[in-house]
Amino acid sequence: AQKITQTQPGMFVQEKEAVTLDCTYDTSDPSYGLFWYKQPSSGEMIFLIYQGSYDQQNATEGRYSLNFQKARKSANLVISASQLGDSAMYFCAMTLNRDDKIIFGKGTRLHILP
Amino acid sequence: GAVVSQHPSRVICKSGTSVKIECRSLDFQATTMFWYRQFPKKSLMLMATSNEGSKATYEQGVEKDKFLINHASLTLSTLTVTSAHPEDSSFYICSARQGGPYEQYFGPGTRLTVT
Repeated sequence: AQKITQTQPGMFVQEKEAVTLDCTYDTSDPSYGLFWYKQPSSGEMIFLIYQGSYDQQNATEGRYSLNFQKARKSANLVISASQLGDSAMYFCAMTLNRDDKIIFGKGTRLHILP
Repeated sequence: GAVVSQHPSRVICKSGTSVKIECRSLDFQATTMFWYRQFPKKSLMLMATSNEGSKATYEQGVEKDKFLINHASLTLSTLTVTSAHPEDSSFYICSARQGGPYEQYFGPGTRLTVT
């Protein structure tokens, strides 16, 4: 069965610094997708970035990039030039392309300090 | 982008009563919707996959008789928590799939409190 591991329960980062949130995954399926979501205190899940298992290049979306290392089964999220509004819970997630279910990691709470 | 709504956003009910939560895809049709549960400061746990026109598929450990799911149309799935108890208090989130595997959109969530 697939599994997502986020080892950082919380992080404190100075504003404007870059942030790396760790995520490792485990699956024996060759076809899968990896996501990062942001959940502010209001509760809604905000999609940030997606990486397909067959994508050759790392995904990027504005200040977000996904450092995809397939051999290591790692999908770290990098946020460049952090902002106070980036303070939130961040979830790494995975879906198997055969069934579309999204499985979430335990999350990392990010605090951006002014 | 695609929008998914949930109603109600908050509900308080008494122990023993049933509560229905609606999940709607507003501008697209969704043959598949998912229901998640999130305890405070915890991750989202997938409860079930809701398929339009057929029975829902429940994850291991989820009581199908307690959490009734109906997906009667391509834009609406409902989750009914039957005979609610305080331990059912949680944040319930739905998602709907529009197209490819990455095209899943989440509703804003429903906070259920059972007193």
